[in-house]
Amino acid sequence: AQSVSQHNHHVILSEAASLELGCNYSYGGTVNLFWYVQYPGQHLQLLLKYFSGDPLVKGIKGFEAEFIKSKFSFNLRKPSVQWSDTAEYFCAVNVDYGGSQGNLIFGKGTKLSVKP
Amino acid sequence: DTGVSQDPRHKITKRGQNVTFRCDPISEHNRLYWYRQTLGQGPEFLTYFQNEAQLEKSRLLSDRFSAERPKGSFSTLEIQRTEQGDSAMYLCASSLEVAGGIYGYTFGSGTRLTVV
Repeated sequence: AQSVSQHNHHVILSEAASLELGCNYSYGGTVNLFWYVQYPGQHLQLLLKYFSGDPLVKGIKGFEAEFIKSKFSFNLRKPSVQWSDTAEYFCAVNVDYGGSQGNLIFGKGTKLSVKP
Repeated sequence: DTGVSQDPRHKITKRGQNVTFRCDPISEHNRLYWYRQTLGQGPEFLTYFQNEAQLEKSRLLSDRFSAERPKGSFSTLEIQRTEQGDSAMYLCASSLEVAGGIYGYTFGSGTRLTVV
C-alpha cells in the first residue's frame, strides 16, 4: 500500500530563517504530489501540487517544492519564513492510474512554529 | 461562499446514538471524498463518489458507517451506534476529474464529532 512519511513532527524556527520540510512516499508508479497547509482553526488549503513537467513547483505565499523521483521525495521549501507561516503542513500523494486519479494519502503532518 | 460546505461544524453525541453529517461540494465538481482526521494525524481516506456512484471505500469504513450521494450533488455520512473511537474531525473534499487531470481538490472546514 502507498504511504507518505513526513520526517519532522515539530519544527521551530525564527523569522527569516529558511525552511525545508521533508516528505517521502512509497509507490513505484506514477503519482501526483501535494502540499497542504492548515492554519490554526482553519481548513486545509492547497499550497502547491505536482502532476508532471518541471519538478520544481512554485506555490502560494513563496513556497516551493522539488520532486526528486529517484529519491521518492517532495520536500517543501521557503527561503525566509514569517510568523504568519505558523501552521501544520501536510504532504499528500495520489496515484495516477493513467488518466484516473486515486484518493489522497496524507502524511502525519509537520507542525511549524515561527518565533517572531 | 462557493467552497465546500459542511454541516454541522460541531456535534456532540452520546455513545450509541446515530449521527449524520452533510457535505455540499463545489457545484461543478464530480468527485466527492470523505476523510477522517484525529489529533496528531493526517487525514485518512474513508470513501469517495464519482457523481452518485460510490467508487471506493476504505477498510476504515466499518459497517456502522454509510455514505450516500443520491443525486450526485450533496453527500451525507451517517455513523450508527457511535463509539468513543469515532470522535474525530470528518472532512469532505471535492474535485473535478476530467480526462488527463484532476482539478480543484478543495476541502471543507470539517465536522468535529465528539462522542461522550
